[in-house]
Amino acid sequence: DVKVTQSSRYLVKRTGEKVFLECVQDMDHENMFWYRQDPGLGLRLIYFSYDVKMKEKGDIPEGYSVSREKKERFSLILESASTNQTSMYLCASSVDTTNEKLFFGSGTQLSVL
Amino acid sequence: GESVGLHLPTLSVQEGDNSIINCAYSNSASDYFIWYKQESGKGPQFIIDIRSNMDKRQGQRVTVLLNKTVKHLSLQIAATQPGDSAVYFCAENIWGSGGFKTIFGAGTRLFVKA
Repeated sequence: DVKVTQSSRYLVKRTGEKVFLECVQDMDHENMFWYRQDPGLGLRLIYFSYDVKMKEKGDIPEGYSVSREKKERFSLILESASTNQTSMYLCASSVDTTNEKLFFGSGTQLSVL
Repeated sequence: GESVGLHLPTLSVQEGDNSIINCAYSNSASDYFIWYKQESGKGPQFIIDIRSNMDKRQGQRVTVLLNKTVKHLSLQIAATQPGDSAVYFCAENIWGSGGFKTIFGAGTRLFVKA
């Protein structure tokens, strides 16, 4: 089975801190995605990547950046965390650009105080 | 812009009954739709998918129906079990830069009463 691993289950950070959320997948998938999940809003796409060193903005990229230096790893960066970035962050991967069937990690619950 | 939405935020059913979860989508150009199940403390998990050239697709105890005329999608769960309690998301793939991206609806929480 595909495994998508997010480095932290819970994180508590202070306003203004730089935050790194790490995600690793073990099935050589081409595509990787970062979503945030908020009650009543579903999953919203922040950034995605179809290949190493490339990235595309999703629907809500403001306040975030990403890095994909290796195929298996996709990092989400909050340059200066704010309280409105308190959320559940979900990483996902898919085989290729047809994007059928996403495989998700268990999520990182980030609280910004 | 494109959106995928749900008619009901919560659904409560009796164990053994059938469940129907509905979803509306707005992008008439979408040709691939997916249902995901998210259990507490876990990420969403793929359940079943359907392409726009189909009206119905069946899996194990689940059926997805697609009505392109009214842009409506539904997930039917037969003989609902306690293990089916979860949040269910419909999603559609739309073309982005260099490939497809998956857009999710708000989700429906399914409660199964014993």
